Amino acid sequence: EPEVTQTPSHQVTQMGQEVILRCVPISNHLYFYWYRQILGQKVEFLVSFYNNEISEKSEIFDDQFSVERPDGSNFTLKIRSTKLEDSAMYFCASSEYLRETYNSPLHFGNGTRLTVT
Amino acid sequence: SQKIEQNSEALNIQEGKTATLTCNYTNYSPAYLQWYRQDPGRGPVFLLLIRENEKEKRKERLKVTFDTTLKQSLFHITASQPADSATYLCALVLPNDYKLSFGAGTTVTVRA
Repeated sequence: EPEVTQTPSHQVTQMGQEVILRCVPISNHLYFYWYRQILGQKVEFLVSFYNNEISEKSEIFDDQFSVERPDGSNFTLKIRSTKLEDSAMYFCASSEYLRETYNSPLHFGNGTRLTVT
Repeated sequence: SQKIEQNSEALNIQEGKTATLTCNYTNYSPAYLQWYRQDPGRGPVFLLLIRENEKEKRKERLKVTFDTTLKQSLFHITASQPADSATYLCALVLPNDYKLSFGAGTTVTVRA
């Protein structure tokens, strides 16, 4: 069964450094998402992406964050200057349906654990 | 304000019993509600979607109900097994919103 893959599985970085988290969504999916989960807390929406542009973003997704689909397969999340509070699991997800997209089931990757020291 | 609330306490049950989890929402009526399973250190995995005009949905040993009057969805795991131990998340689209929002989840532990 096709799956969403994320790399790296674990990233350790120093405060103030830039990180890029990478994702390969399922190939025929058109909608892409980033969610994050701070340890012990709920899964929180960051951003959704369709047709090479952001369609929705949360308050968390400030100017320090950006997303890109650099080619036909990868989807990346960049954090320009990491803070301690950015430490979390970051999940990429994708979905396929065109109609009623916001209610379409999401297919998640297994996440990148980001640790900011 | 709109909220998604799940059983706040963890659920510990004996193998073979039925686990029942609750997802309550307030101040609105979602057209759909979804349930996911999350294992430690892994991403959520989609299980079931139920529409507002469906009272019940089943998938193998899983059953979901959707009561729009009570503003509640119940998620049942029948004949539970230790492999069912995980955190179960409900998710829906809040009003005037364009993204799937998740509840905090209920952790289920099935004892052999």
